[in-house]
Amino acid sequence: NAGVTQTPKFRILKIGQSMTLQCTQDMNHNYMYWYRQDPGMGLKLIYYSVGAGITDKGEVPNGYNVSRSTTEDFPLRLELAAPSQTSVYFCASSLNRQNNQPQHFGDGTRLSIL
Amino acid sequence: KQEVTQIPAALSVPEGENLVLNCSFTDSAIYNLQWFRQDPGKGLTSLLLIQSSQREQTSGRLNASLDKSSGRSTLYIAASQPGDSATYLCAVNSGYSTLTFGKGTMLLVSP
Repeated sequence: NAGVTQTPKFRILKIGQSMTLQCTQDMNHNYMYWYRQDPGMGLKLIYYSVGAGITDKGEVPNGYNVSRSTTEDFPLRLELAAPSQTSVYFCASSLNRQNNQPQHFGDGTRLSIL
Repeated sequence: KQEVTQIPAALSVPEGENLVLNCSFTDSAIYNLQWFRQDPGKGLTSLLLIQSSQREQTSGRLNASLDKSSGRSTLYIAASQPGDSATYLCAVNSGYSTLTFGKGTMLLVSP
């Protein structure tokens, strides 16, 4: 039962570098999400997708980009890394837009920008 | 804008105690509410999901209630165990299946 898989688990970047956080799910879920979690704070939604080819901004999208070319994959791109993007990033998925479907989370990517 | 508050921020109890975690939200127009557990350095595990039409959900020693009109939910943990030590997060779904999270309650259960 793989569920939601995120890679890498840890990464250190220099200011101005770029990288892609990978997320894949094997549950055939339509909906996928990216959140960030800062110390002592709740999770905040960055971007979400309701299906392949469709993405939309969440609460904190600035500095990030996403794409959804397949049902399984939802990568998050940081183009010009900034110290404010140091955080733990979580990817999640859910079956569809029904009231009774929980979100399933990956184990997170811990990212430091120095 | 939906805001979610969790009280207390931290809680320490001896093993065997029953305890209640509180969650409040500002906009009662929600689709559902979820309680999650997060262990240090790990992702979130869904514990219970309560639909807006429901009053409570139970799973083992856990019971979650929802009073949508007053914007409140509680998570009741019976006969707490050291293995229950974790951070508990409350999140509300106000549309498009996107969740608004509280900051969590950090629970420590001592043997």
